[in-house]
Amino acid sequence: GDSVTQMEGPVTLSEEAFLTINCTYTATGYPSLFWYVQYPGEGLQLLLKATKADDKGSNKGFEATYRKETTSFHLEKGSVQVSDSAVYFCALSSGSARQLTFGSGTQLTVLP
Amino acid sequence: NAGVTQTPKFQVLKTGQSMTLQCAQDMNHEYMSWYRQDPGMGLRLIHYSVGAGITDQGEVPNGYNVSRSTTEDFPLRLLSAAPSQTSVYFCASSLSGPGNTIYFGEGSWLTVV
Repeated sequence: GDSVTQMEGPVTLSEEAFLTINCTYTATGYPSLFWYVQYPGEGLQLLLKATKADDKGSNKGFEATYRKETTSFHLEKGSVQVSDSAVYFCALSSGSARQLTFGSGTQLTVLP
Repeated sequence: NAGVTQTPKFQVLKTGQSMTLQCAQDMNHEYMSWYRQDPGMGLRLIHYSVGAGITDQGEVPNGYNVSRSTTEDFPLRLLSAAPSQTSVYFCASSLSGPGNTIYFGEGSWLTVV
């Protein structure tokens, strides 16, 4: 079945540091890939998505590129802010189903 | 501008009690689903629906019931609550077709004592 493997956390960075959170997947067919963010005490918000190979999703300075050859969708940001502190989830949706398979989440803390 | 609305936000139950978590969406989405979130495990699918009158089981359906009598509503029923059902529950909805954004509610924090 489908699965998502996400970089273990927690991750602690200083403000303005470079962020990478690794995500690899296993899926049948050609999945769509997503990054969701969960701020403390809140629900999940879509951060970015990519629906086919080589697509780059981007939002709020975050980027991720759909790499079919390495089955990866790593999240990057060039300069993190304290307000980026949250839990980040990588997820996929495959076939005609609209259900998501999630990674275990990565807690990011950014220190001033 | 409501999106996906879940109620209640917080609930404490005693073991053996039953309750219903409500979920409504105003975006005319065909697909709706329920997930539970547990520490270190991400979100896991409980039940889902592809349209009114149609429901199916996800990865962790035991102890939960759902129904979909209207497009807008997708309630999740806990039949006899157990401490193992202490979790955060999220309802989600989307249009059909690959790549469409899946929208989540704000979550319902449930504690079973």
